[in-house]
Amino acid sequence: GAGVSQSPSNKVTEKGKDVELRCDPISGHTALYWYRQRLGQGLEFLIYFQGNSAPDKSGLPSDRFSAERTGESVSTLTIQRTQQEDSAVYLCASSLYGPGPYFGPGTRLLVL
Amino acid sequence: QKEVEQDPGPLSVPEGAIVSLNCTYSNSAFQYFMWYRQYSRKGPELLMYTYSSGNKEDGRFTAQVDKSSKYISLFIRDSQPSDSATYLCAMTQRASTGTASKLTFGTGTRLQVTL
Repeated sequence: GAGVSQSPSNKVTEKGKDVELRCDPISGHTALYWYRQRLGQGLEFLIYFQGNSAPDKSGLPSDRFSAERTGESVSTLTIQRTQQEDSAVYLCASSLYGPGPYFGPGTRLLVL
Repeated sequence: QKEVEQDPGPLSVPEGAIVSLNCTYSNSAFQYFMWYRQYSRKGPELLMYTYSSGNKEDGRFTAQVDKSSKYISLFIRDSQPSDSATYLCAMTQRASTGTASKLTFGTGTRLQVTL
């Protein structure tokens, strides 16, 4: 079946602009995760959604970052007033029970 | 101290060698342990998934977990140039809903398999 998809695959923006990143999880997966990966570094947890439970937002680095998920479908990660340090690959993953989560290809964000 | 420690490498081995990749961790609550493979400019790909202590084998890959030592390993037998990638360990508790809670990752080990 189809895997996790993310759009756009690449995004170049100017400092101070807002960006929206989209994630389409694997159909039926109740859990959805956002991670950030800076160049040459490991994965940094941002936020985790599980069904209708309150999301775990403990990894969001500042109030410029927010994410939404409607039910068990698409999620959007929004970064307001982007800064150069926001440049990274933003990775989305989803899971159900058992093995996982499974990652998408990521969105490469470059803030000029 | 980081919750999960992983040697960043790079690790260079000749084709056909046995590769050993390792992570240590400090949180005794971790129950589920994963290994991901990440090729350059790609998303992480789930390779192995294990629960608690013990071994799990899948083809050329074997994952080992020693919870008493807080130490996990991934072995790759008969390594191939196509195995050249960054290998990330990850671990988590399990949420009450049954899905994985947030994962904590190691920084990744870059592996190069040479001809």
